Amino acid sequence: SYVLTQPPSVSVAPGQTAFITCGGNNIGSKNVHWYQQRPGQAPVLVVYDDSDRPSGIPERFSGSNSGNTATLTISRVGAGDEADYYCQVWDSTHDHQVFGTGTKVTVL
Amino acid sequence: QVQLQQWGAGLLKPSETLSLTCAVYGGSFSGYDWSWIRQPPGKGLEWIGEINHSGRTNYNPSLKSRVSISVDPSKKQFSLKVRSATAADTAVYYCARLLTGSYRFDYWGQGTLVTVSS
Repeated sequence: SYVLTQPPSVSVAPGQTAFITCGGNNIGSKNVHWYQQRPGQAPVLVVYDDSDRPSGIPERFSGSNSGNTATLTISRVGAGDEADYYCQVWDSTHDHQVFGTGTKVTVL
Repeated sequence: QVQLQQWGAGLLKPSETLSLTCAVYGGSFSGYDWSWIRQPPGKGLEWIGEINHSGRTNYNPSLKSRVSISVDPSKKQFSLKVRSATAADTAVYYCARLLTGSYRFDYWGQGTLVTVSS
């Protein structure tokens, strides 16, 4: 089955930019979605279809996808961005939904 | 505004059947797929399966033999059953709406912690 690999953790200073990667075989050919999950809460969609933002999500959240890596970028990081982030794609070969391993973002 | 509200038993004994239901408030019920996702304590998200308004299902092969998802369009509800539960099924279970075409989860329930313990 399709596997999505994320770094377990990313640390970033306040005001700086966080880059969260999601690796998968030819992931550039798929639509990638990103979710933010704060402790004790349900996940929230922050980027969909590689680079689009749902209504209400700040422009600080952006995404890109090419080759074997998709990236979620969080600009001007603040304490409120501390959370776990998951990428997700549809594995069309097996008609299954697949989540990445998750990345914990820590604001220093 | 779409809201998903879920409920079910939070404590089970091994070998019992896990049972959860999710109700959809606001928005259309048909035209979407409805999913269950779980998260063991301290771990990542795992897709369990999905169902559409007409009852077509699709399951994670790792759980397929023990899982069933059903739907009641008249009540705008869908349900999850996991048979022969073990400690490995201990997790927070979420229901979510899946947008077909894009295959993204745009609305989620609040989550239910289910513990399997003797």
